[in-house]
Amino acid sequence: GAGVSQSPSNKVTEKGKDVELRCDPISGHTALYWYRQSLGQGLEFLIYFQGNSAPDKSGLPSDRFSAERTGGSVSTLTIQRTQQEDSAVYLCASSQASPETQYFGPGTRLLVL
Amino acid sequence: QKEVEQNSGPLSVPEGAIASLNCTYSDRGSQSFFWYRQYSGKSPELIMSIYSNGDKEDGRFTAQLNKASQYVSLLIRDSQPSDSATYLCAPGGGKLIFGTGTRLQVFP
Repeated sequence: GAGVSQSPSNKVTEKGKDVELRCDPISGHTALYWYRQSLGQGLEFLIYFQGNSAPDKSGLPSDRFSAERTGGSVSTLTIQRTQQEDSAVYLCASSQASPETQYFGPGTRLLVL
Repeated sequence: QKEVEQNSGPLSVPEGAIASLNCTYSDRGSQSFFWYRQYSGKSPELIMSIYSNGDKEDGRFTAQLNKASQYVSLLIRDSQPSDSATYLCAPGGGKLIFGTGTRLQVFP
């Protein structure tokens, strides 16, 4: 079956602009996660959604970052007023439940000029 | 103390040898543990998951878990050049807290 998909695959933006990153999880997966990976660094947890529960936002680095998940499926990560330090690969993962195995999408490479 | 500690490497082993990758974690409440492999420029992919103390084998891979010592390891037998990648340890429980990974290099 189809895996986790993310769009766009690459995004170049100017400092101060807003960006939206999309994640389409594996069908039937109730849990969805966002991570960030800066160049040469490990994965940094941002936020996760589990079913209808309130999301765990404990990893969001600032209030410029927000995410929503509509209809328990597709998720959008929004970064407002982007900064150069936001440049990274943003990875989305989904799992059948939590804490089951997470399957990662290909990521969105964000470059803020 | 970091939540998850891994030696960043690189760990260099000859083809056919056993590669041993280690990870320690700080959260005693962690119940599930995952090893992911990440090739350069690619997303992490699951190698092994382990939930109980002891060993779990899958092909050339063996995961070992010791909850009392807060230690989990991954052994790769008969290492191949295609195993060259960064290996990420992640105690689970909802969000995954990843280690920075160990870079493995298998040379012919």
